[in-house]
Amino acid sequence: DTGVSQDPRHKITKRGQNVTFRCDPISEHNRLYWYRQTLGQGPEFLTYFQNEAQLEKSRLLSDRFSAERPKGSFSTLEIQRTEQGDSAMYLCASSLDTGRYEQYFGPGTRLTVT
Amino acid sequence: AQSVTQLGSHVSVSEGALVLLRCNYSSSVPPYLFWYVQYPNQGLQLLLKYTSAATLVKGINGFEAEFKKSETSFHLTKPSAHMSDAAEYFCAVSAAGDYKLSFGAGTTVTVRA
Repeated sequence: DTGVSQDPRHKITKRGQNVTFRCDPISEHNRLYWYRQTLGQGPEFLTYFQNEAQLEKSRLLSDRFSAERPKGSFSTLEIQRTEQGDSAMYLCASSLDTGRYEQYFGPGTRLTVT
Repeated sequence: AQSVTQLGSHVSVSEGALVLLRCNYSSSVPPYLFWYVQYPNQGLQLLLKYTSAATLVKGINGFEAEFKKSETSFHLTKPSAHMSDAAEYFCAVSAAGDYKLSFGAGTTVTVRA
């Protein structure tokens, strides 16, 4: 068990550019979640997958955001036409689909939009 | 909808003193409750969870929390603080059948030598 991994750990981009983040969950976990955390706040839910199906999206996930989980393994989160307000830590978590609901988090990708 | 309130955004304790972090939740159904710890520039690590079994839950690193339904609380304690406990702590709630977590704003703990 190598834990949840995320790549890159840091991303600096200019406003208007597109960025893509990757998350590799714990191998036997079939649920995968994305959260966003801004400075001084707790993480906020963005979306989650059960295997390859995206089952819920937060209202925080505007049309510029898209997430995929092809083949139910790794996931990508893409932000198009980045804005300064997108600057945040993007956290990925995974869990089993049994009833304990404990989610295991990756180290996060810190995005800075200049 | 579930929500969590963490009382006190910053707690300062002396090494060896009691650590008490407060968390109150609102949920229309019996919740699952969690405490996570976050060290600078890292992800969240699960400290402990309540899932309707024992009301006193023991976690890692000497932390424990007590679920009190009458007070809608899930406060986190540690009898004796260590310097390594300096971090940010988040309380989170999830209703049964709702897989996403709702987090509080966090409490930053500093430990004085």
